[in-house]
Amino acid sequence: GQQVMQIPQYQHVQEGEDFTTYCNSSTTLSNIQWYKQRPGGHPVFLIQLVKSGEVKKQKRLTFQFGEAKKNSSLHITATQTTDVGTYFCAGGFQKLVFGTGTRLLVSP
Amino acid sequence: NAGVTQTPKFQVLKTGQSMTLQCAQDMNHEYMSWYRQDPGMGLRLIHYSVGAGITDQGEVPNGYNVSRSTTEDFPLRLLSAAPSQTSVYFCASSLLFQGDTQYFGPGTRLTVL
Repeated sequence: GQQVMQIPQYQHVQEGEDFTTYCNSSTTLSNIQWYKQRPGGHPVFLIQLVKSGEVKKQKRLTFQFGEAKKNSSLHITATQTTDVGTYFCAGGFQKLVFGTGTRLLVSP
Repeated sequence: NAGVTQTPKFQVLKTGQSMTLQCAQDMNHEYMSWYRQDPGMGLRLIHYSVGAGITDQGEVPNGYNVSRSTTEDFPLRLLSAAPSQTSVYFCASSLLFQGDTQYFGPGTRLTVL
């Protein structure tokens, strides 16, 4: 079945540093979604990408969908302590498959 | 709107016990899903429903039953709890199809001893 892997599994940065998480699927995706889960909370939808090569920005967050629609990335510029949490990518139409997640820790 | 609600928040069971995790949504979404979250494994789909009376299996359905008698409610039943079912369970709803944007409930943290 479809598998979605994310790297790194964990990253610890100093506030102000940049952060990137990568999402790789074993199959071509119709779309890719990104979610954020704060510690002790539930996943919250951030954004959806649909087109090959699509790039979307939300303030300091930049999301990219690969040309082959098998990979995606989330880049955070100048991290803040409020960015702490686990970031998940997810893809699929009939059945959504979530990535393994990247846990981000930001030290002040 | 309350969105997606789940009860209980925490539960401890003994091996072999049964229980039902409750989930309700007030957004009139047709699609509802149950996921379990385990460390390092992301969220895995257990069962989902495309509307009242219609359910289907996800990636990890064994040991769980679901039913959908109304649009609002989607309970998850553990028939005979096992320690491998210790996890955090999230219910989610979506509007257009199962792979559409997921609106998650707050989760139920289940421990099976």
